[in-house]
Amino acid sequence: QLQLQESGPGLMKPSETLSLTCTVSGGSITSSSSYWGWIRQPPGKGLEWIATIYYGGSTYYNPSLKSRVTISVDTSKNQFSLKLSSVTAADTAIYYCTRRNYGDYRIDPWGQGSLVTVSS
Amino acid sequence: EIVLTQSPGTLSLSPGERATLSCRASQTVSSSYLAWYQHKPGQAPRLLIYGASNRATGIPERFTGRGSGTDFTLTISRLEPEDFAVYFCQQYDTFGGGTKVEIK
Repeated sequence: QLQLQESGPGLMKPSETLSLTCTVSGGSITSSSSYWGWIRQPPGKGLEWIATIYYGGSTYYNPSLKSRVTISVDTSKNQFSLKLSSVTAADTAIYYCTRRNYGDYRIDPWGQGSLVTVSS
Repeated sequence: EIVLTQSPGTLSLSPGERATLSCRASQTVSSSYLAWYQHKPGQAPRLLIYGASNRATGIPERFTGRGSGTDFTLTISRLEPEDFAVYFCQQYDTFGGGTKVEIK
């Protein structure tokens, strides 16, 4: 059974760069039917798509975050990562790593989520 | 940009009752890319329905998805205690605001 697990810093200060890693287990990150991505949910708000990557290197970014975001994949470790620069309190959220099915955009599975709090 | 509007925001029902959740798109969307998820606090969201009407693996038959064009519904025929959660719809990379199904 495919499982995703996020790892992240928990607490950060404004202006720092957020680094999150998602470890994929029970399957290969080089699956041809899989896109890997990040979605976040600020407290009390809805879900926001951040970025998606295919193991071959194709990347897709939310235009509203594109200037601050980089998504990458490490096939040797079966992991993918997210970097978000110049964080502010508005970036406080639960960050989920996800697998999106090629072709129909269904997201399955999701990671448990990693709470990132930005505070001075 | 497509906007997905879910209603109601909160649904207060008792176990055994029927729940009907709505997801309305701001423009016509393809049913092939409409999915529903269940989300409980502290847990990973769970895929329920994809392609508007296809139940995901292991999802009980009491969950039914229907719709086309701009209007989609998720129906839970008889609420079980474990069904009280937040439900949200998704189209491509856009998500609805969610409907909370709470115990009355």
